[in-house]
Amino acid sequence: EVQLVESGGGLVQPGGSLRLSCAASGFTFSSFWMSWVRQAPGKGLEWVANINEDGSETNYVDSVKGRFTISRDNAKNSLYLQTNSLRAEDTAVYYCASGGWLDFWGQGTLVTVSS
Amino acid sequence: DIQMTQSPSSLSASVGDRVTITCRASQGIRNDLGWYQQKPGQAPKRLIYVASILQSGVPSRFSGSGSGTEFTLTISSLQPEDFATYYCLQHNSHPYTFGQGTKLEIK
Repeated sequence: EVQLVESGGGLVQPGGSLRLSCAASGFTFSSFWMSWVRQAPGKGLEWVANINEDGSETNYVDSVKGRFTISRDNAKNSLYLQTNSLRAEDTAVYYCASGGWLDFWGQGTLVTVSS
Repeated sequence: DIQMTQSPSSLSASVGDRVTITCRASQGIRNDLGWYQQKPGQAPKRLIYVASILQSGVPSRFSGSGSGTEFTLTISSLQPEDFATYYCLQHNSHPYTFGQGTKLEIK
């Protein structure tokens, strides 16, 4: 059974940083693209970033380019999102999703950017 | 960026009704589209991939169709557990983009 468990969210001040993690199990992690998707409170879904199987290719939505970095450690079956220079508008639940077509999703971790 | 226009934004229906939700892409995306269901407080769950293939374990009352720029999700006979918000997602080109969502409510 595919399992994706996000962690690392919390309350952070504007301009601060957080590193989100996603622990994967139940599938061959190193064989799949992985994504991060976020959802602001009461709003719709927004794709944030993805990374290919070996980490050599990454893509981002414009609003996070230069501030967020997606990475992975295939030896640890883990996906990461380093979030820097956080803004109030980055407040959201952040989900990791497996596969190039976002097959399965974790339950999410809440990031709140507020002073 | 490819814009996904989803309609309607909300829909009121009764158990047993047939409902259809539409997504239109601002440019052709072949069949690179998925449909997701999200219930309050839960993560999205994929129902359909490559526009028309039913995800394993998803009831057959859900179906998807379309290619190019116009896509539909149909629920043939609404069940109580189907009242949720539905999203389309295009994964044809980066950045991937979602429709705005359709909230399906009980009439």
